[in-house]
Amino acid sequence: AQSVAQPEDQVNVAEGNPLTVKCTYSVSGNPYLFWYVQYPNRGLQFLLKYITGDNLVKGSYGFEAEFNKSQTSFHLKKPSALVSDSALYFCAVSPYGNNRLAFGKGNQVVVIP
Amino acid sequence: EAQVTQNPRYLITVTGKKLTVTCSQNMNHEYMSWYRQDPGLGLRQIYYSMNVEVTDKGDVPEGYKVSRKEKRNFPLILESPSPNQTSLYFCASSLLPGETQYFGPGTRLLVL
Repeated sequence: AQSVAQPEDQVNVAEGNPLTVKCTYSVSGNPYLFWYVQYPNRGLQFLLKYITGDNLVKGSYGFEAEFNKSQTSFHLKKPSALVSDSALYFCAVSPYGNNRLAFGKGNQVVVIP
Repeated sequence: EAQVTQNPRYLITVTGKKLTVTCSQNMNHEYMSWYRQDPGLGLRQIYYSMNVEVTDKGDVPEGYKVSRKEKRNFPLILESPSPNQTSLYFCASSLLPGETQYFGPGTRLLVL
């Protein structure tokens, strides 16, 4: 069965500094990888995904993520964090063509003005 | 506007009183799913549906039922709710399995 690890409960970063949210996964076969963001009292919103192709994936709001097959990682990055990026971020994985999506426990990102 | 809607958004009930949380999508998506979100546990899949009349268990199906009589609707049924089902519930849909999922706004349930 697939699984996702997001090792840090909370990530604190100063506004303007680079932001990284870590994600490692375990799956049989080729993975579909996703990042979602949840703002307070809202549902999850899609940020970006990796299915195949270039290992560096660009998504919404200036976020990007790098797929690293050898390290089974899919870290989310943003070069310059904004206060409005403060939210809960979820990494998710699904085996190719599979109908099950496994989420990590989520990372709270706090951007300090 | 393309969206997934859930009702109610907030619900307080008592142990054993049957309830239904509705979910509807207007994107003609084949795949629909229910998740519960609990602090420190992330989202866990309850049930999913590949198409009309096709449903299957996710990771935490105990105490829940679903049905998919129409493509757009996927209600979650708690026949006899218990306090351990107090949680935040999300419905989601996607065009196909494994594709990007679109989430509803969530239903916060408290079972006393």
